[in-house]
Amino acid sequence: AQSVTQLGSHVSVSEGALVLLRCNYSSSVPPYLFWYVQYPNQGLQLLLKYTSAATLVKGINGFEAEFKKSETSFHLTKPSAHMSDAAEYFCAVRVLSGGYNKLIFGAGTRLAVHP
Amino acid sequence: DTEVTQTPKHLVMGMTNKKSLKCEQHMGHRAMYWYKQKAKKPPELMFVYSYEKLSINESVPSRFSPECPNSSLLNLHLHALQPEDSALYLCASRQGPGHQPQHFGDGTRLSIL
Repeated sequence: AQSVTQLGSHVSVSEGALVLLRCNYSSSVPPYLFWYVQYPNQGLQLLLKYTSAATLVKGINGFEAEFKKSETSFHLTKPSAHMSDAAEYFCAVRVLSGGYNKLIFGAGTRLAVHP
Repeated sequence: DTEVTQTPKHLVMGMTNKKSLKCEQHMGHRAMYWYKQKAKKPPELMFVYSYEKLSINESVPSRFSPECPNSSLLNLHLHALQPEDSALYLCASRQGPGHQPQHFGDGTRLSIL
């Protein structure tokens, strides 16, 4: 069965520091992977997606992620954290259920950014 | 601004009430989803509609009743809910091939008294 695991439920960084949020996937087929961000009292916003076109994927707000098949990873990075990046981040993998698409989410990582 | 609109934003109801949540999108997406999200947890899939037909029901209790009257609108009818049903209810839609992402609304915050 396909799944994703996010290592670290909480990550804290200083403003201007590198952000690294970890996601490992389990899939017997080439996966479609997504990173979403959720700000307080809001829905999920797509940051970026991997669909096998390129292993390094650039997203919104300066985020990017690299797909590494050998490590079954899809970690999210940003070179310099901003206070506005504080939010909950979810990694997700698309699965097929009876021929229909659905997403399986990781448990989430809460990012805190301090001055 | 989100392209998936959910109303109301907040809802408080008693356990004997009947209410409905509404979700609307005008992006031409033909797949629509309902999720339930508890605090500090990821969204849990409830229902999937594809071309206005119920495709996936994740063993959701019958006190939740989805409806897709047309390709732009998705409703979730609520009746006789329990306090543990208090949560954020998210709607999402998706277009076409499997690599296309789901687009989420801002949700309805539901509280059951």
